[in-house]
Amino acid sequence: GAVVSQHPSRVICKSGTSVKIECRSLDFQATTMFWYRQFPKQSLMLMATSNEGSKATYEQGVEKDKFLINHASLTLSTLTVTSAHPEDSSFYICSARTSTSLRGYTFGSGTRLTVV
Amino acid sequence: AQKITQTQPGMFVQEKEAVTLDCTYDTSDQSYGLFWYKQPSSGEMIFLIYQGSYDEQNATEGRYSLNFQKARKSANLVISASQLGDSAMYFCAMRGGYNQGGKLIFGQGTELSVKP
Repeated sequence: GAVVSQHPSRVICKSGTSVKIECRSLDFQATTMFWYRQFPKQSLMLMATSNEGSKATYEQGVEKDKFLINHASLTLSTLTVTSAHPEDSSFYICSARTSTSLRGYTFGSGTRLTVV
Repeated sequence: AQKITQTQPGMFVQEKEAVTLDCTYDTSDQSYGLFWYKQPSSGEMIFLIYQGSYDEQNATEGRYSLNFQKARKSANLVISASQLGDSAMYFCAMRGGYNQGGKLIFGQGTELSVKP
């Protein structure tokens, strides 16, 4: 089945530094990738939608200069948290459309970011 | 605007009993899809079941069934014969029509605890 590999699974970084999270589709071409953020015991909040070769579309209230999304190839999408602060600590998870199938979504395993 | 609502923050069920997790939605789209995902403490998103807005039959996948009541805009998940391994967060999600870009929007989630 379709697999999305997300790395790193956990990262601890110092306040003010940047962190890059990668999502790779291993056996299919992901033309669209969705990035979500999740606080403990809360819902997955959609941050942005990235389409290969074009600029990401950000949801209202999401700072595009802080959360840089790049989708340069059909198998790789990245989220960079720039100048991270403790309030950016969260669980970040990506999801790819696997096909034109109505139910076709595959999730990465998530990245737990802790900013100290 | 699309909206998904799960009104049960937490639910308890006895092992081997059935449990219903509630989900209501709101959309102006005629074509949409409804999903249920399980999220254990590891954070991975596990697809459980899908219901299309035009599907006349309620979806079933093993011990999972979806009670789809279109007029009431509800899509409740029924888990039969609960197992200890069913303890997790459960999320209802909706995919809107074509103009929504295929993004999934999630409800607040329900934490299910199965008691031995």
